Amino acid sequence: GAGVSQSPSNKVTEKGKDVELRCDPISGHTALYWYRQRLGQGLEFLIYFQGNSAPDKSGLPSDRFSAERTGESVSTLTIQRTQQEDSAVYLCASSFGSGGANEQFFGPGTRLTVL
Amino acid sequence: KQEVTQIPAALSVPEGENLVLNCSFTDSAIYNLQWFRQDPGKGLTSLLLIQSSQREQTSGRLNASLDKSSGRSTLYIAASQPGDSATYLCAGGRGSTLGRLYFGRGTQLTVWP
Repeated sequence: GAGVSQSPSNKVTEKGKDVELRCDPISGHTALYWYRQRLGQGLEFLIYFQGNSAPDKSGLPSDRFSAERTGESVSTLTIQRTQQEDSAVYLCASSFGSGGANEQFFGPGTRLTVL
Repeated sequence: KQEVTQIPAALSVPEGENLVLNCSFTDSAIYNLQWFRQDPGKGLTSLLLIQSSQREQTSGRLNASLDKSSGRSTLYIAASQPGDSATYLCAGGRGSTLGRLYFGRGTQLTVWP
């Protein structure tokens, strides 16, 4: 079946604008994760959704970042009033079950450039 | 805070060599561990998952082991090929109820013909 998909693949925006990134997980996967990867850095956890439980937002760097998920399907990550330090590749992953016991599968990422 | 270190940061070898990539965690309470490869400009491809009850996993020329007592993992690549050239990332989960993975910065591998 299809893997994790993300859109857009690339996004260039001006400082101060809002952006919305989309993730479509693998069908049937109850868990969904957002990470970001800045140039030359490791992956940073942002947020984790598991079924109907409250999301783990502990990795969101500021209140300009928010994410939503509709049921067990699509998720959107919104960054308001973008700053240049938000430039990164934003990666989405999904897994079949809850918690860390299940393999995470990643999408191709959205490369965000804030001018 | 969980810190993940991968050694070496970069490795360049001729085709055919057997390789060992290392990963260590400051907090040894690792529940499970996943190894990924990342090709330039691409997302992550899952290679191996070692679950909580396991100590190692094998897939083709790849073998990964996890020593929970020391918080260390090793990825062994046998008979390396140019197609293995990529960045290899290790990531650990801390518990069955916590979904996030803690990532290292990766080992950039180049295998030349």
